[in-house]
Amino acid sequence: EIVLTQSPGTLSLSPGERATLSCRASQSVPSNYLAWYQQKPGQAPRLLIYGASSRATGIPERFSGSGSGTDFTLTISRLEPEDFALYYCQQYGNSRSFGQGTKLEIK
Amino acid sequence: QVQLVQSGSELKKPGASVKVSCKASGYTFTDSSIHWVRQAPGQGLEWMGWINTNTGKPAYAQAFTGRFVFSLDTSVSTAYLQISSLKVDDTAVYYCAAFDYGDYWGQGTLVTVSS
Repeated sequence: EIVLTQSPGTLSLSPGERATLSCRASQSVPSNYLAWYQQKPGQAPRLLIYGASSRATGIPERFSGSGSGTDFTLTISRLEPEDFALYYCQQYGNSRSFGQGTKLEIK
Repeated sequence: QVQLVQSGSELKKPGASVKVSCKASGYTFTDSSIHWVRQAPGQGLEWMGWINTNTGKPAYAQAFTGRFVFSLDTSVSTAYLQISSLKVDDTAVYYCAAFDYGDYWGQGTLVTVSS
């Protein structure tokens, strides 16, 4: 089983700032099958990024994903008020598993 | 459009069983496997496993073997999650999801286990 570790646990930033979220895998993720999700209270997760760096349909350009192997990053270039939420990475290259999440909160 | 519609909230006592349904529409049911994801209150997402909608064969994540059963009724395009011998720690929102041709999630079903 691939274990995903996200950091930081909580990230406090202001609107307009840049956010960098990390996801580290316990072993290489096959084919870089790594996705990022956003979740807001009371809602199902929403896919942002798949294949480590491809934006899902309708996702704003300020969201970008990068990385390969065991180290992956989600970057939000300029935070909008609606971006403050929970973020999860998920690998789907070897069965599936989620990271424990990063809470992005308003500073 | 693709939709996954889950059954409503459940309140159960410890030791009881519960069956959550996930009805798919907007696509051919057997074209995409159904996954189940658990989210305990204030906690993260846990992938529970998936069921092949063509063969009916389930696969469970290590933490979800024994009391958790995935099943199908393809005649009504519906997947089911049954949990037996419920424990207080099973209190969570359970999501079904389909990932094969996009990324689609049900609205979630809250299962509360309390004496």
